[in-house]
Amino acid sequence: QSVLTQAPSVSGAPGQRVTISCTGSSSNIGAGYYVHWYRQVPGRAPELIIYGNSDRPSGVPDRFSGSKSGTSASLAITGLQGEDEADYYCQSYDSRLSIGVFGGGTKLTVL
Amino acid sequence: QVQLVESGGGVVQPGRSLRLSCAASGFTFRSHGMHWVRQAPGKGLEWVAVISHDATNTFYIDSVKGRFTISRDNSKNTLFLQMDSLKTEDTAVYYCAKSGGGKYYVDYWGQGTLVTVSS
Repeated sequence: QSVLTQAPSVSGAPGQRVTISCTGSSSNIGAGYYVHWYRQVPGRAPELIIYGNSDRPSGVPDRFSGSKSGTSASLAITGLQGEDEADYYCQSYDSRLSIGVFGGGTKLTVL
Repeated sequence: QVQLVESGGGVVQPGRSLRLSCAASGFTFRSHGMHWVRQAPGKGLEWVAVISHDATNTFYIDSVKGRFTISRDNSKNTLFLQMDSLKTEDTAVYYCAKSGGGKYYVDYWGQGTLVTVSS
């Protein structure tokens, strides 16, 4: 069981907007630690798409945005495209475990 | 560009040891913390261990404490993971990862190396 909680799956039609939620606790997200997001295509290494709650690395389109509030965070993807199909993981730091922690991942299906 | 190339994975029996290596290039290795993250077949990501830029601090998840040791050689731009007393539940793809900075995240990942613990 992952320290951060994500829904197992989400889907949307091309062009639509989807959000992926990530819920933590007072020892990680709620303690003020940053939330980061990664995308992983099956069989490939993960790649960073959001860091520091809402910043995008160079090369990541502005269709991807992140936010954080309290003990939760969200990833929003607008203008959904077929290439967005992947697993998405949230990540933070946990002060009780003294190490990074991930969500269980959310599989995005583009209908 | 940043490159992280893992090696050393393979099939090993329970109770045996394996040492993973990660050759880094394209950035100032000695200036960045480094991580090992694993992914069991069909499962999610799991942080395994982290080491500070100068190797003075290391941290591990509870399930590998006392069995795994993370280390680095800054003169050779190489990260290591010594894995002893391996268990079947350690079977996973192990990723070498570069710290993105003070906000505790990974900005670059290796391609991963598969470790299979099986009798």
